[in-house]
Amino acid sequence: GQNIDQPTEMTATEGAIVQINCTYQTSGFNGLFWYQQHAGEAPTFLSYNVLDGLEEKGRFSSFLSRSKGYSYLLLKELQMKDSASYLCAASSGGSYIPTFGRGTSLIVHP
Amino acid sequence: SQTIHQWPATLVQPVGSPLSLECTVEGTSNPNLYWYRQAAGRGLQLLFYSVGIGQISSEVPQNLSASRPQDRQFILSSKKLLLSDSGFYLCAWSVRDYATGELFFGEGSRLTVL
Repeated sequence: GQNIDQPTEMTATEGAIVQINCTYQTSGFNGLFWYQQHAGEAPTFLSYNVLDGLEEKGRFSSFLSRSKGYSYLLLKELQMKDSASYLCAASSGGSYIPTFGRGTSLIVHP
Repeated sequence: SQTIHQWPATLVQPVGSPLSLECTVEGTSNPNLYWYRQAAGRGLQLLFYSVGIGQISSEVPQNLSASRPQDRQFILSSKKLLLSDSGFYLCAWSVRDYATGELFFGEGSRLTVL
């Protein structure tokens, strides 16, 4: 089976930096996804890491350590619109279908 | 460009009634198709996925079923709904044979079973 853990909820201040951690245990690991989901809406793709290291995309960066089964999503210069749920998902096996964690609800306040 | 639509967006159904949710993808051929369910306070749970017409893989035993009558059409059904079927249902597609491809989700269908 697969197990993905991430914090349930985090709060941060507008303009600050926040790091959302995710640990995973899975056999045949292929890669790690991060998705953003605003309340009542569908998830949208943020990033995909297959190799160790940091991938940067504007204000968002994602890090992966395959040996530690660990990833994080880093959000810089937080804006109110960043308030959302952030879903960590690991793909494994021949089907490459991602298994999702429960998501981290990020609340950004002024 | 590719688009994905699913409907209905919202529905309230009594226990024991049937269900049909439909999803269609446009602008791409031979997609992988998926049905996920998101219950309150829980993560996205994969229900079914399909790599081609008539090819359905079920991930979780339940009273739901899926069908893919056409290449870009995916249908989720139930003959008799249970209270536990309430949730947010999401259809998604990905590029076939692209192992690292992201999932593109539809708008979602919120089902409340009373």
